[in-house]
Amino acid sequence: SAVISQKPSRDICQRGTSLTIQCQVDSQVTMMFWYRQQPGQSLTLIATANQGSEATYESGFVIDKFPISRPNLTFSTLTVSNMSPEDSSIYLCSVERGLNIQYFGAGTRLSVL
Amino acid sequence: ILNVEQSPQSLHVQEGDSTNFTCSFPSSNFYALHWYRWETAKSPEALFVMTLNGDEKKKGRISATLNTKEGYSYLYIKGSQPEDSATYLCASNNAGNMLTFGGGTRLMVKP
Repeated sequence: SAVISQKPSRDICQRGTSLTIQCQVDSQVTMMFWYRQQPGQSLTLIATANQGSEATYESGFVIDKFPISRPNLTFSTLTVSNMSPEDSSIYLCSVERGLNIQYFGAGTRLSVL
Repeated sequence: ILNVEQSPQSLHVQEGDSTNFTCSFPSSNFYALHWYRWETAKSPEALFVMTLNGDEKKKGRISATLNTKEGYSYLYIKGSQPEDSATYLCASNNAGNMLTFGGGTRLMVKP
């Protein structure tokens, strides 16, 4: 298993601003993952964050909108840039163990006004 | 990109009722099927991982079955309790690929 601390747990932001979400893992991991769940939608992978290299983004997500940092093997940040109401979602980070089993943080509930 | 679908979207049951929900996924190049429970304001928690056709897993009052030939999995909850109220997510992947999640089934158990 893995213990993941994610913050903030929730935020309300103004349109056009940016929010950085932090994720801390209790052990060293090669890859960390960032997901988003928009209202009424499936949990969707945004990107995979590797230590020492650029993040790998899934189709439909770009670095300018969702810059990711991975300064060491236990920490990562995701920034939601130039926010609009469509960015209102739950954002989750995770790490993988065993058969692709994901261990998640508790999520960041973001509302953009 | 896999197409993973769950039904129903939401479900209201009385305490003590037994219930089940469905996850359907593409059967070609199947690798694994996962079930997660996601309670409000908490982390999604892994319940089961199944890989073989006919797999059955059980944890307390919750069990799951897998049919990889026809591409579906059932999650069963026996004697539902209010603490079972959560969103239940399934996810599937092909070998070497990331998980694709379904939209979830939101279960509410009334005391």
